[in-house]
Amino acid sequence: LAKTTQPISMDSYEGQEVNITCSHNNIATNDYITWYQQFPSQGPRFIIQGYKTKVTNEVASLFIPADRKSSTLSLPRVSLSDTAVYYCLVGANNNDMRFGAGTRLTVKP
Amino acid sequence: EPEVTQTPSHQVTQMGQEVILRCVPISNHLYFYWYRQILGQKVEFLVSFYNNEISEKSEIFDDQFSVERPDGSNFTLKIRSTKLEDSAMYFCASSEAYSGARPYEQYFGPGTRLTVT
Repeated sequence: LAKTTQPISMDSYEGQEVNITCSHNNIATNDYITWYQQFPSQGPRFIIQGYKTKVTNEVASLFIPADRKSSTLSLPRVSLSDTAVYYCLVGANNNDMRFGAGTRLTVKP
Repeated sequence: EPEVTQTPSHQVTQMGQEVILRCVPISNHLYFYWYRQILGQKVEFLVSFYNNEISEKSEIFDDQFSVERPDGSNFTLKIRSTKLEDSAMYFCASSEAYSGARPYEQYFGPGTRLTVT
């Protein structure tokens, strides 16, 4: 199982772009990178998934460099409601993926 | 939008008692999971279930735990003899399919807060 490392916490202000980087040096060829968001007292929620290069959806973008040893979740123009814990998971299937400690993002007014 | 539901939202039990946590996964999903999260800690994988059998389980999922899909809609987690350290939020999740190609999005329920006294 690939190990991931993320910053424990980040602060930002409303309207700013937030980039959360995840390191996964031992990522395997078949592994995908998946990000989940968790609000207090709620279950995690899928945000985005990618294998290489860049993926964008209505919520976020995911940047993956060619060596795939890291990835960056980009949240454009955050609001107070984006305050949450963000998890980076790496694995080839659902049985491989494990949640780490995540990054606690606090968005301030 | 379809969602995973869990009951009860909060369960208080005494140490040594059996508890059953219930989940209704999304109807066309084939893979089911249980996770737990001790207050302030990370989300921990317990077990995955497919085609009426356990697909994968973690070291946490010992003989005290069991899972069952008693009918076409419910998915349950039983803890036979609860311990104080079983106090946690328990999340059920489901996913559309299982494939060797990529992980599928897991949809999580709102959780059941289990308090063991």
